Amino acid sequence: QSVLTQPPSVSGAPGQRVTISCTGSSSNIGTDYDVHWYQHLPGTAPKLLIYANNYRPSGVPGRFSGSKSGTSASLAISELQAEDEADYYCQSYDSGLTGWVFGGGTKLTVL
Amino acid sequence: QLHLQQWGTGLLKPSETLSLTCAVYAGSFSGHYWSWVRQPPGKGLEWIGEINPAGTIKYNPSLKSRVAISGDTSQKQFSLKLNSVTAADTAVYYCAGGDSGWYVDFWGRGTLVTVSS
Repeated sequence: QSVLTQPPSVSGAPGQRVTISCTGSSSNIGTDYDVHWYQHLPGTAPKLLIYANNYRPSGVPGRFSGSKSGTSASLAISELQAEDEADYYCQSYDSGLTGWVFGGGTKLTVL
Repeated sequence: QLHLQQWGTGLLKPSETLSLTCAVYAGSFSGHYWSWVRQPPGKGLEWIGEINPAGTIKYNPSLKSRVAISGDTSQKQFSLKLNSVTAADTAVYYCAGGDSGWYVDFWGRGTLVTVSS
């Protein structure tokens, strides 16, 4: 059971927009700790996609965006492409655990 | 561009000690935060622990009694030891690093560690 809750799967057709939610609690996202997102392709290392809620590292396309409100955060992917098919994880800090916590991951399928 | 190379034993028997090392290349060791993260088969990512630039070490409370992370600035390496392993410790283990300590900027390629009798 992950501390942060994500939907197990989402799907969308090429060109569409999808969102992935990440729900936490008052000891992590709700305490104003930032949320970060990673893209993970099987057999490879995860890749930082969004940091500090809504900032993109250099090289990450503008189709990826993040937001945070209250105890939840979201990752939006617009103009879906086949190469976006991957697992996506949210991550934050938890004051009770005094360490990082991850979501359980969401598998994105591009139809 | 800073990158990480990790290595260690991939097959262990129950009760043995897992040992992994990660080397930092093309970048500084000091001034960064270094962590270990694992992913059991079919499951999500789990933070194991971290060593910060001051040498302070933090562990996931669920693993704290069995885990040890250390760093060697002169060798630009950091290591993970997890004792008394069981099948539940079977996972891909990633070494990771970052500038801020809040998220991961750099990832190792991962090492599959299997615990089986």
